Amino acid sequence: DSGVTQTPKHLITATGQRVTLRCSPRSGDLSVYWYQQSLDQGLQFLIQYYNGEERAKGNILERFSAQQFPDLHSELNLSSLELGDSALYFCASSTRDRGNYGYTFGSGTRLTVV
Amino acid sequence: SQQGEEDPQALSIQEGENATMNCSYKTSINNLQWYRQNSGRGLVHLILIRSNEREKHSGRLRVTLDTSKKSSSLLITASRAADTASYFCATWGGSEKLVFGKGMKLTVNP
Repeated sequence: DSGVTQTPKHLITATGQRVTLRCSPRSGDLSVYWYQQSLDQGLQFLIQYYNGEERAKGNILERFSAQQFPDLHSELNLSSLELGDSALYFCASSTRDRGNYGYTFGSGTRLTVV
Repeated sequence: SQQGEEDPQALSIQEGENATMNCSYKTSINNLQWYRQNSGRGLVHLILIRSNEREKHSGRLRVTLDTSKKSSSLLITASRAADTASYFCATWGGSEKLVFGKGMKLTVNP
C-alpha cells in the first residue's frame, strides 16, 4: 500500500456518460498529480494541484476537469466520454510543490468506455 | 509529449543476470527519476539522481547520469523474477510536472 488511495479501481461506462475518479493523497502530501496511461500515448500528465490550487495543466481535454478539496483529496471528472478515453488513470502525490522529490502513485482507476 | 525514451523497449534475461536500461532525453533537467510498474499496477519510485550527480546506488540498483549526452542508465544487478516489470525514466526540468518516457518491459526468467 503506497498510501495514495484511488477509487474506484475499475469503471465501465457508456459513451456520453460522466464519471468521477477520486484520489486521497499520502498523509502530509500537499501536491496531487493526475496522469492518464494508455497503450499508444504512454503516461500523459493531465493536471496538478497544490494545497487546493491548480498549479499546472498538461494535455487535459476540456471535457475533463479536476479539483482538490480542503481535506486535500482530489477528484477528476470526465464527461461526454468517448471510446478513446478508455485508459488507466493514476493519481500521484508528493511532499513538495516540485518534481524534486519522487512521486507516490496510487494503484489507478481502469476506465473502460463501451 | 514524451521527454525520455527508454532503450531497449523490451529485455528478456535469466535470473541472476544483470539488466541495463538506458534513457535518453531532449532538454536540460534538474533531476531524472526511475520508476517501476508491475502489470496493471501503480508506479513505484525507485531512485532519483540530480543533474549535478553522476552515479547513485540503492541496493541492487545503480543509476548513472551523463548530462553532456543527455542520457541515463539503470543497472539492476543479480536480477530476480520479481524484477519483471515495466521501467520508466522521468525527467524534471524545473517546471511543475514530471515527464515520463514510454517505458520498457523487463522479463526475468526463473
